[in-house]
Amino acid sequence: AQSVTQPDARVTVSEGASLQLRCKYSYSGTPYLFWYVQYPRQGLQLLLKYYSGDPVVQGVNGFEAEFIKSNSSFHLRKASVHWSDSAVYFCAVSATGNYKYVFGAGTRLKVIA
Amino acid sequence: GGIITQTPKFLIGQEGQKLTLKCQQNFNHDTMYWYRQDSGKGLRLIYYSITENDLQKGDLSEGYDASREKKSSFSLTVTSAQKNEMAVFLCASSLDWGGADTLYFGAGTRLSVL
Repeated sequence: AQSVTQPDARVTVSEGASLQLRCKYSYSGTPYLFWYVQYPRQGLQLLLKYYSGDPVVQGVNGFEAEFIKSNSSFHLRKASVHWSDSAVYFCAVSATGNYKYVFGAGTRLKVIA
Repeated sequence: GGIITQTPKFLIGQEGQKLTLKCQQNFNHDTMYWYRQDSGKGLRLIYYSITENDLQKGDLSEGYDASREKKSSFSLTVTSAQKNEMAVFLCASSLDWGGADTLYFGAGTRLSVL
């Protein structure tokens, strides 16, 4: 069965610092991997996605993620965070022919001055 | 670009009441989804539909019904609201049925049951 683990429920970083949000997945086949962001009172929006090829994928607003197959991980990174990055971040996995995207529990990011 | 509109934004119900949530999309997407979001639990799939008049159960379908009478709309019914239940219901759509496509979400319906 597919599963996604985001081990950090809450992360606090200072503005301008670097960021890594962790995601580990469990899936026996070839996964499609996603990071979504949810701002207050809004739905989720796609940050980036990985299907195949270069394991480092670039997303919007300076975010990137690296697919490490040997570690079953898809961590999200940003070199320098801004206060507006404060939000909840979700990692998700799906696969070809499978409508059932599986989401992690989310990591709430707080960026402080 | 398109938009997904969920109504109502807030829904307060009584225990045992049947409650209906509505979702409209103008992306012309084939596939639509209903997710439930509970604090600290991520999103759990309730129902999805790959085309008009199609309905597929997700992992959390017990206690819910769904309806997809038009391509652009997808409704969810809570068949009997549970006391003190609080959750956010998110509607989403995607172009591709193959599981690889981006999901586009509405802003959600926030449910509280007294």
